[in-house]
Amino acid sequence: AQSVTQLGSHVSVSEGALVLLRCNYSSSVPPYLFWYVQYPNQGLQLLLKYTTGATLVKGINGFEAEFKKSETSFHLTKPSAHMSDAAEYFCALKGSARQLTFGSGTQLTVLP
Amino acid sequence: KAGVTQTPRYLIKTRGQQVTLSCSPISGHRSVSWYQQTPGQGLQFLFEYFSETQRNKGNFPGRFSGRQFSNSRSEMNVSTLELGDSALYLCASSSLPGGDTDTQYFGPGTRLTVL
Repeated sequence: AQSVTQLGSHVSVSEGALVLLRCNYSSSVPPYLFWYVQYPNQGLQLLLKYTTGATLVKGINGFEAEFKKSETSFHLTKPSAHMSDAAEYFCALKGSARQLTFGSGTQLTVLP
Repeated sequence: KAGVTQTPRYLIKTRGQQVTLSCSPISGHRSVSWYQQTPGQGLQFLFEYFSETQRNKGNFPGRFSGRQFSNSRSEMNVSTLELGDSALYLCASSSLPGGDTDTQYFGPGTRLTVL
């Protein structure tokens, strides 16, 4: 079985502050991991993905994530939050199952 | 290159009716997956199609069905609608059927409301 846990359903940061969204996974095989962002009334947009190779992955809009096998984590970070980053973020895994398994999502609020 | 398109974007139905949703994948993509998104259950996998064949199915009742056409366009159908079927239905396309390095690209979704 595979699963994804996102710690914190709501995260608030001030504009310009560090963004840290947490994702832990469980997989019986080496996973492929993804972060997606969803703006209101829209679909999911891919931010970044990890398949193999370099464990620090850079994505769009200044986001990056680090795959840590020993901690079974794939946390998403951005050095400086912008108002436009306010959205819901989903961590997803593709492991032994063919389809994506999603976490429950983290709603990011950016305070002025 | 155009993204994944879904029609209609919004739909209102009543209990007991049936509904058909449509998805056109990114040009060249041959795999289409469907997901249901609700506040209570989050994002759940419905099914995946590749070359007109269902390759994978999630844990949903038989009222949920789908198909894929030769041009890779896909439809999903829900019969005998229930209030709990109200959700955002997302379609995603990819180039390979569940390939290890595959990435799914999502459409904007169809918002279904069942009254």
